[in-house]
Amino acid sequence: GQQVMQIPQYQHVQEGEDFTTYCNSSTTLSNIQWYKQRPGGHPVFLIQLVKSGEVKKQKRLTFQFGEAKKNSSLHITATQTTDVGTYFCAGVENRDDKIIFGKGTRLHILP
Amino acid sequence: KAGVTQTPRYLIKTRGQQVTLSCSPISGHRSVSWYQQTPGQGLQFLFEYFSETQRNKGNFPGRFSGRQFSNSRSEMNVSTLELGDSALYLCASSEGSHGAYNEQFFGPGTRLTVL
Repeated sequence: GQQVMQIPQYQHVQEGEDFTTYCNSSTTLSNIQWYKQRPGGHPVFLIQLVKSGEVKKQKRLTFQFGEAKKNSSLHITATQTTDVGTYFCAGVENRDDKIIFGKGTRLHILP
Repeated sequence: KAGVTQTPRYLIKTRGQQVTLSCSPISGHRSVSWYQQTPGQGLQFLFEYFSETQRNKGNFPGRFSGRQFSNSRSEMNVSTLELGDSALYLCASSEGSHGAYNEQFFGPGTRLTVL
């Protein structure tokens, strides 16, 4: 079955450093979504990528969708304490329209 | 607009019992999806409803079921509870007809503990 692998599982960075999380799928995805979940909170939608090679930016966040539509990344520039949380990718396979979430990357910011 | 609401927020049950969880989507949203979140398995898709019809179903046993009403409110039911069903159950609504292709708005979740 389809799997969406997300790495790393945990990441500790100094405030001001950059952070990147990666998602890889075993099959071609029709689209990928990214969510952020703060500790004790619920997932909040960040963005959706649909096109091969697509790059989208939201302030300090840059999202990329691979050319083969099998991988994606989220890069945060100059992290801030407000970036703390778990970042999830969620991919949808063409075949069955089911959304599969990665296990998430938990980001800790060291002051 | 009010966000997605879920009731109850916390629930404690014993093995073998059944439970019903409720979700009210954002006004105007007709697509409702349910997810199970556990530390070990992460977020897993349970099922999705649109206009009272189940559109898609994840890989969960038949003990997990759901329905959607004409006002788009949704319920999920878990029968014959097992210890492994302890989890945070999240509901998400979306404006489009398909949550997998649209921005999903999550509720705060129902924390279910099975003893």
